[in-house]
Amino acid sequence: GAVVSQHPSWVICKSGTSVKIECRSLDFQATTMFWYRQFPKQSLMLMATSNEGSKATYEQGVEKDKFLINHASLTLSTLTVTSAHPEDSSFYICSAPPPRLAGKYNEQFFGPGTRLTVL
Amino acid sequence: ILNVEQSPQSLHVQEGDSTNFTCSFPSSNFYALHWYRWETAKSPEALFVMTLNGDEKKKGRISATLNTKEGYSYLYIKGSQPEDSATYLCASWRPSGYSTLTFGKGTMLLVSP
Repeated sequence: GAVVSQHPSWVICKSGTSVKIECRSLDFQATTMFWYRQFPKQSLMLMATSNEGSKATYEQGVEKDKFLINHASLTLSTLTVTSAHPEDSSFYICSAPPPRLAGKYNEQFFGPGTRLTVL
Repeated sequence: ILNVEQSPQSLHVQEGDSTNFTCSFPSSNFYALHWYRWETAKSPEALFVMTLNGDEKKKGRISATLNTKEGYSYLYIKGSQPEDSATYLCASWRPSGYSTLTFGKGTMLLVSP
């Protein structure tokens, strides 16, 4: 099956530092990956769409200069939280639709997520 | 803004009980509804992708129905087992640029032995 990995699974950092989260598709190529964020007791909210070889598309209200996305290859997208602050503490999770399912309303394959805590 | 609501927020049942959850979504401009199961410390796993009004899908002891006219979907689990303990998410899919999923907050199910 389609497997998506995410690294790290959890990270604690000091306020003002930057944190990079990696999302990898292990057995398929993903031209598109999605980044979501989930605050406690809230739903998964789409932050941005990562596109291989082009700029990411950000959802309204998401600062593109704060959440840097790089989709440098067909199997790797990275999300960098720059100058992190305590309010950025959240659960970040990525997903990708395998190409073989293209056109079938994009069933998503998710990574296991990254818990970010900013002190 | 597309609002997807799920109820109940959490549910605690005994092994062997059958249970069901509700997902409601705006019925206008409907395209597809996704159900995912999310076990703690694991990746959300797709259960069903449903598109047709009246559709019913089944996967083992889990089944789901869809009513696109009134904007709701039910997820049923027959004879719950402890391994069914997870958060069940529904999400409405709409084509928006690269296509987007709007998620509900989920229903957390705990099945006690």
